[in-house]
Amino acid sequence: GENVEQHPSTLSVQEGDSAVIKCTYSDSASNYFPWYKQELGKRPQLIIDIRSNVGEKKDQRIAVTLNKTAKHFSLHITETQPEDSAVYFCAAGGYKLSFGAGTTVTVRA
Amino acid sequence: DAGVTQSPTHLIKTRGQQVTLRCSPKSGHDTVSWYQQALGQGPQFIFQYYEEEERQRGNFPDRFSGHQFPNYSSELNVNALLLGDSALYLCASSSPVTVSGGSTDTQYFGPGTRLTVL
Repeated sequence: GENVEQHPSTLSVQEGDSAVIKCTYSDSASNYFPWYKQELGKRPQLIIDIRSNVGEKKDQRIAVTLNKTAKHFSLHITETQPEDSAVYFCAAGGYKLSFGAGTTVTVRA
Repeated sequence: DAGVTQSPTHLIKTRGQQVTLRCSPKSGHDTVSWYQQALGQGPQFIFQYYEEEERQRGNFPDRFSGHQFPNYSSELNVNALLLGDSALYLCASSSPVTVSGGSTDTQYFGPGTRLTVL
């Protein structure tokens, strides 16, 4: 089955700086790679996703890149703000999603 | 446009009991997936229902079963509860998107049901 590894497990950044989270996956059949943000006590919220026929996607301050050959994908958050503080999860799959263990992001004011 | 809803919000059970959790998908979605999220971990896929059939299943014992109704809502049943079943149970709804290489589902999560087994 699919195995998704996510790094780092914690990330502390100064407000205004960039944050980068990296994930690797094992199953070459995976063709869908979403990222979710989960605040304490709340549901995971989809923030951006990318499909295997695209290498990069951007939505305002958030961007995701995918390297299918190397089986890794990354989330980039620019100009971080305190409200970006949360746990971020990457996932890989198709119908079925396998999730990484999460990255706790803290944005220091 | 209602999002994904789940009930109940919280549930406390004792070992050996059975539990049923419910999910209503987002309007326009016909597929429901269930996940278990233990504290401090990522969600783990339990199974997915489409057209009232279990389409895929994760690595969970058959104590975990489900059902999808004609209106696309779904139930997750867990029998013979163990302490280790304590977790947040998340439902996600989707509608398949077909791209080159196969179909993928953009999944939107409900608020979850927090199950505590004592």
